[in-house]
Parts: sequence; structure tokens; C-alpha cells
Amino acid sequence: QSVLTQPPSVSAAPGQKVTISCSGSSSNIGDNYVSWYQQVPGTAPKLVIYDNYKRPSEIPDRFSGSKSGTSATLAITGLQTGDEADYYCGTWDDSLNVAVFGGGTKLTAL
Amino acid sequence: EVELLESGGDLVQPGGSLRLSCAASGFTFSRYAMSWVRQAPGKGLEWVSSVSGGSDIIDYAESVKGRFTISRDNSKNTVYLQMNTLRGDDTAVYYCTKGRQLHDSWGQGTLVTVSS
Repeated sequence: QSVLTQPPSVSAAPGQKVTISCSGSSSNIGDNYVSWYQQVPGTAPKLVIYDNYKRPSEIPDRFSGSKSGTSATLAITGLQTGDEADYYCGTWDDSLNVAVFGGGTKLTAL
Repeated sequence: EVELLESGGDLVQPGGSLRLSCAASGFTFSRYAMSWVRQAPGKGLEWVSSVSGGSDIIDYAESVKGRFTISRDNSKNTVYLQMNTLRGDDTAVYYCTKGRQLHDSWGQGTLVTVSS
């Protein structure tokens, strides 16, 4: 049982928009920045969003992030088959004094 | 370019010990916290431990507290994870990451298998 809650899977047709939610509490998302990681099966995770909405320079602007209260959202527009991967949200939990991740969401481009 | 290269993963019997290493390059190592994150087969990411740049702040997941020890040698740009009293549920790919709350770079991972 992960501290942060994500849907197990999401899907959309290529070219469409998809969103992935991440729900937490006041001690984690509510009080800290959220980051998002993309993991293609068999490879290491890669940072795609940090500080709630910022993108590393190599990440296309089709990827965006937002946060409201104790929830965060990753949005991907113009979905491509190359975006198929597992996505994880992450942050710090001030009460537990640990880094926490969501359980991961498998994205499928139909 | 940031590079993190883990080593030390192996097959070990329950109750055994193992030390993982992560050699870093491409950034000023001593300025950054470093972490270990693991992923059991077919499962999600689980944070294991973090150490600050000066080794003055160290945190552990409850699941490894008292069994694992994180350390770093800034003169060698290397972070370590000493794992003792290993159990079957420690079986995982162990990733070295740059950062503590934000993991902005990841190594390729090293596989630890605990089995008799």
C-alpha cells in the first residue's frame, strides 16, 4: 500500500490527451514539491516533471504537471506510442521523514 | 553529463550481507544528497535511504532500518549501501539516485537476489 495513490492504468488514443492523478496528504504532497518519473520497462526511471510543474530541458512540452492541495496531476498531450511506460509520482513525507512514491500508473497508447 | 554507475549486486543467501557502490561523475558530488531506491520484480519504486552531501543527515525506510547503512566518500565520488541480514523481500534492482526529495538522475541499477 503506497503512501501516494495513483490509478493502476490509463489509456488513450495516439494524439489525444491523458492525465494521471496522484493523491496524498498534508504531510507529503500538501507540504512539498511533487516530481514525476517515466519508466520504460527494462530501463531505469527518468525524471519528466519536478517542483510540481517544471520540465527538464530534454522533456518535450507535451508533458506538464500541476498540483492542488494534496493532489498532483501529470498531463501528456499529443500522446505518442513512445510515451507508453509506467509513471510514478514522488515527494517527501514530513511526518514519516521518508521519500515516498506512488504505486505507479501504466500508460497505454491504444 | 551526470553519470551514476552502480555495482555490487549479486545472489546472496538469506541472512547474508552485501555492499553496493555507486560511482558518480558529471557534477560536484559533495554538494548533493544521494539516495538508494529499489524495485522488486514486477513492483513499484521503493525509497530505501538518503545521505546528505556532508553525511550529516541520513534517513532510512522503516523496512531496512537497523539492517542497512548508507555512507559516502566525497573524495571518491562514491556512495555505498551496506546491507546486512538480508531477507527474501530485499530482492530487487537497486538504483542509485542524485537527490533526496527529488531524484533527478538515476543509475542503471544493480540486481540483488536473496535466495537459498
